[in-house]
Amino acid sequence: DIVLTQSPVSLPVTPGEPASISCRSSQSLLYSDGYNYLDWYLQKPGQSPQLLIYLGSHRASGVSDRFSGSGSGTDFTLEISRVEAEDVGVYYCMEGLQTPFTFGGGTKVEIK
Amino acid sequence: EVRLLESGGGLVQPGGSLRLSCSASEFTSGTTGMSWVRQALGKGLEWVSSLSDYGGTHYADSVKGRFTISRDSSKNILYLQMNSLRADDTAVYYCANCRVYGSGWCNYLDDWGLGTLVTVSS
Repeated sequence: DIVLTQSPVSLPVTPGEPASISCRSSQSLLYSDGYNYLDWYLQKPGQSPQLLIYLGSHRASGVSDRFSGSGSGTDFTLEISRVEAEDVGVYYCMEGLQTPFTFGGGTKVEIK
Repeated sequence: EVRLLESGGGLVQPGGSLRLSCSASEFTSGTTGMSWVRQALGKGLEWVSSLSDYGGTHYADSVKGRFTISRDSSKNILYLQMNSLRADDTAVYYCANCRVYGSGWCNYLDDWGLGTLVTVSS
């Protein structure tokens, strides 16, 4: 099974400042079609998870352009260009390359 | 936006059974499968099972042989039959739509339901 390791576990942020979350995979998520099968989700307090980024760098419909995904193979990053109060919650990466699909442990983003 | 609504959760004794349902507000054009994901209280997300549109079923090792995923396409309802329930199955269970952009049948989970709580306890 693929293991995803996120860091940091907790991320205090200042509004208006950038933030970055790392997700490392135990196996390459780069498939022969050129896509990286790594997605990012945000679970806001008391809510269901919501899709932010799919296939490594594709922003989901309706997601602010402050969010961007990058990386390839085994190392991926989610960046928030300017954090806003509404961005607080737990961020998860998930691999969609093979079952069993696996999630990272999560990164809790909170406002300082 | 598709609305997914889970139901069927509740309190059950260890060894018991429950059947969860997930109904979609409309036919989900472009959906290539559906999945169940669970979250124990205060814990992270755990993929449980998926059903592809061509009928393939997939399970996490922790539920294989105990849970069965199925779908009534005529009613747009996804099911998760859970047997031999254990205390560590206690969680909020979410259903979600699979979408494809590249290869395969489930590249990412698009729409998510609100979840239904399953508590396994004596």
